[in-house]
Amino acid sequence: EIVLTQSPGTLSLSPGERATLSCRASQTVSRSYLAWYQQKPGQAPRLLIYGASSRATGIPDRFSGGGSGTDFTLTISRLEPEDFAVYYCQQYGSSPPLTFGGGTKVDI
Amino acid sequence: QVQLQQWGAGLLKPSETLSLTCAVYGGSFSDYYWNWIRQPPGKGLEWIGEINHSGSTNYNPSLKSRATISVDTSKNQFSLKLSSVTAADTALYYCARGRVGNYFYYGLDVWGHGTTVTVSS
Repeated sequence: EIVLTQSPGTLSLSPGERATLSCRASQTVSRSYLAWYQQKPGQAPRLLIYGASSRATGIPDRFSGGGSGTDFTLTISRLEPEDFAVYYCQQYGSSPPLTFGGGTKVDI
Repeated sequence: QVQLQQWGAGLLKPSETLSLTCAVYGGSFSDYYWNWIRQPPGKGLEWIGEINHSGSTNYNPSLKSRATISVDTSKNQFSLKLSSVTAADTALYYCARGRVGNYFYYGLDVWGHGTTVTVSS
């Protein structure tokens, strides 16, 4: 089973700052099979990034994804007030087919 | 615009069977994998399993012996049954749409609103 470890657990930043979130896999994950989600309190998760670096429909360009192999990142170039949330990485394709990371909370 | 509407019993006793259904409105049903994901209170996301329109399934090994996902293509619905529930199964349960292409994964792009399931004696 591929385990995804996200760091840090909590990231305390201010609006306008840059946020860099890390997702490390216990085995190599194909870039094509790595996604990121945002979840706000009381809401379902929202797809941000798929294929490691492709933004989902309607996602602002301040969100970007990168990385390869076992190390992936989600970057928010300039935090807006609505970006304070929990972020999850997710891989697909290895047994079990789908796993999530434990999440990173971005708060003020 | 695709919408997922889910429903099911919200309060169960230990050893009972959880049963949830998710209906898909709008869009294609056959081009996607249909997923169940859960989130215990205050915790992260746990994938339960997926099914396609043909009934092909994949499960999280940690739940495989208790989880059954089925599909009703005539109604564009899919369902989850989880047997022998305990307090550890208390969670917010989501259904979600996923798409897998040729050597590419497009993520879980549409989610239901979630159903709270509480297991308590």
